[in-house]
Amino acid sequence: TQLLEQSPQFLSIQEGENLTVYCNSSSVFSSLQWYRQEPGEGPVLLVTVVTGGEVKKLKRLTFQFGDARKDSSLHITAAQPGDTGLYLCAGAYASGGSNYKLTFGKGTLLTVNP
Amino acid sequence: DTGVSQNPRHKITKRGQNVTFRCDPISEHNRLYWYRQTLGQGPEFLTYFQNEAQLEKSRLLSDRFSAERPKGSFSTLEIQRTEQGDSAMYLCASSSRGPRSTIYFGEGSWLTVV
Repeated sequence: TQLLEQSPQFLSIQEGENLTVYCNSSSVFSSLQWYRQEPGEGPVLLVTVVTGGEVKKLKRLTFQFGDARKDSSLHITAAQPGDTGLYLCAGAYASGGSNYKLTFGKGTLLTVNP
Repeated sequence: DTGVSQNPRHKITKRGQNVTFRCDPISEHNRLYWYRQTLGQGPEFLTYFQNEAQLEKSRLLSDRFSAERPKGSFSTLEIQRTEQGDSAMYLCASSSRGPRSTIYFGEGSWLTVV
């Protein structure tokens, strides 16, 4: 069974603080995607990373893909209340012939307090 | 709006009734996916279509569930004889062909079985 562990599961911080969310697996990903989800809505894509060591930035969000393509992190600088939501990482595994579908972590529920 | 479209967005049904959800993918995408998400969990893969062919079904998809994509465009997910455990958000997603294609999600269809 291919598992994707995401941590922390819950995070409550004050506006202006920085935070990092981690996503880890024992298997290699062909690609990894980060989504943000609001209550009652579907996941909205933030970024896709495909190359080991890749770093992508989206305003105050920085995404990093591990060199071995088994892990990823999301760093938010100077968090704002509008960043509140469920952050999900999802990977397409490189082996097993299933690189067309995503395996999700349980998500990190972020609350940014004003 | 050229995103993935799902309807109905919300459905409340009595136990034992049948329900059907529809998904219209992004028009140029030939891959279509159904996922299920329960509270506190990330989405779980249910099934995958490439054009009109259903190429994979998860063990989560019991014999009460059936998905179709008759013309390779829209898809339907039917749940027969609903049970309270079927209460969840049903998410449809689509992507273009290719091993690292980004998967885009719809807004989801919430099912509550009472």
